[in-house]
Amino acid sequence: QVQLVESGGGVIQPGRSLRLSCEASGFIFSSYGMHWVRQAPGKGLEWVAIIWFDGSKKYYADSVKGRFTISRDNSKNTLFLLMTRLRAEDTAVYYCARDPGYSSGPFPGNWGQGTLVTVSS
Amino acid sequence: QSVLTQPPSVSAAPRQKVTISCSGDSFNIGNNYVSWYQQLPGTAPKLLIYDNNKRPSGIPDRFSGSKSGTSATLGITGLQTGDEADYYCGTWDSSLSGWVFGGGTKLTVL
Repeated sequence: QVQLVESGGGVIQPGRSLRLSCEASGFIFSSYGMHWVRQAPGKGLEWVAIIWFDGSKKYYADSVKGRFTISRDNSKNTLFLLMTRLRAEDTAVYYCARDPGYSSGPFPGNWGQGTLVTVSS
Repeated sequence: QSVLTQPPSVSAAPRQKVTISCSGDSFNIGNNYVSWYQQLPGTAPKLLIYDNNKRPSGIPDRFSGSKSGTSATLGITGLQTGDEADYYCGTWDSSLSGWVFGGGTKLTVL
């Protein structure tokens, strides 16, 4: 079955960088687009970024554009999110999600359990 | 402020029916498919509905989705206490070139 395991979260100072990972198993990783979605404590879901199955296209939320970079290593079945110039408002649980790749358009399908990032001095 | 508008909360009694609305515009719901997600307390979100009205395998037919114009609706029948959760709608926004979520609706089963 589809399994997504995020890692790399922790406490980080404002202005610093952090890289999150999402290890995928149970499916052919290189055939699926992937998303990052975050949720601040006590708040709703906020979509962060998407990467196409082959890495050819990437889109970002305005709130992270220019600071965050989504990437993937299909040989290692792993998705990444490099977060730079972190701010207090980036504090959230970060989820990775698989895009089913239907012709109807992208959407987050299967979700991981998330990793908590806390930006604080 | 979310691009998609949902009521903050809804409530109904066990075994009753409830609907949750999601309102957008022509750049998002009006021209793209809608998904719905359920987030039980302390857990990751789970896909309930995709392509406006399709259920992934394992999702009971008590859950249904529909879309009309720039609005979408999630329906839940035969409410159970285990349905108490936050529910989110989402869709692609062509003007933002990104996915957008509604603000979420907290369902209470009285």
